[in-house]
Amino acid sequence: DAGITQSPRHKVTETGTPVTLRCHQTENHRYMYWYRQDPGHGLRLIHYSYGVKDTDKGEVSDGYSVSRSKTEDFLLTLESATSSQTSVYFCAISERGQKDNSPLHFGNGTRLTVT
Amino acid sequence: QQPVQSPQAVILREGEDAVINCSSSKALYSVHWYRQKHGEAPVFLMILLKGGEQKGHDKISASFNEKKQQSSLYLTASQLSYSGTYFCGTAHGAGSYQLTFGKGTKLSVIP
Repeated sequence: DAGITQSPRHKVTETGTPVTLRCHQTENHRYMYWYRQDPGHGLRLIHYSYGVKDTDKGEVSDGYSVSRSKTEDFLLTLESATSSQTSVYFCAISERGQKDNSPLHFGNGTRLTVT
Repeated sequence: QQPVQSPQAVILREGEDAVINCSSSKALYSVHWYRQKHGEAPVFLMILLKGGEQKGHDKISASFNEKKQQSSLYLTASQLSYSGTYFCGTAHGAGSYQLTFGKGTKLSVIP
């Protein structure tokens, strides 16, 4: 199994508070991704990174920011959490980019509840 | 654009076969298939590239029909362990960094 650790695994927070989710990998893969998974929507890309300090937006990036200061860590921040951001968040890594048809390896997910 | 998967759900008895389809309204460059068991992370199954290539993984195989902009996942002689939700993810260009996933097909295999 790919060495991907997400923390925390579960979090309950109140509307309006900032939240940071962490993804840590030990595979030295260049590409890292944050997805959210909601019933009826499948997996939707929030942000991705193609190298240290190199990030870009996905299809549902509003309300989220990311940072990658080291190869192994990719942080997802909700600046001011809203109830619509209640979801399961998955981090994924790949050795090469999607344009090189590299498979995604997913972490175990973080279940976030915003009350 | 999100690819469309069909059926949304299917129930099989052990040993039966199933086909899951993934269709796109845009030209496909590649299609990924993943399986997710309840409460777990999605797990990679295979990647199909345009050109009609068919791949296999144990008794699970897939095809890519470039003309129809569609990929199909074939599960043969299903086992209980095949239960889960299957997702296709599509890429629409050689320069694309983004994979767009379908809503998933829930497969239940019963004894």
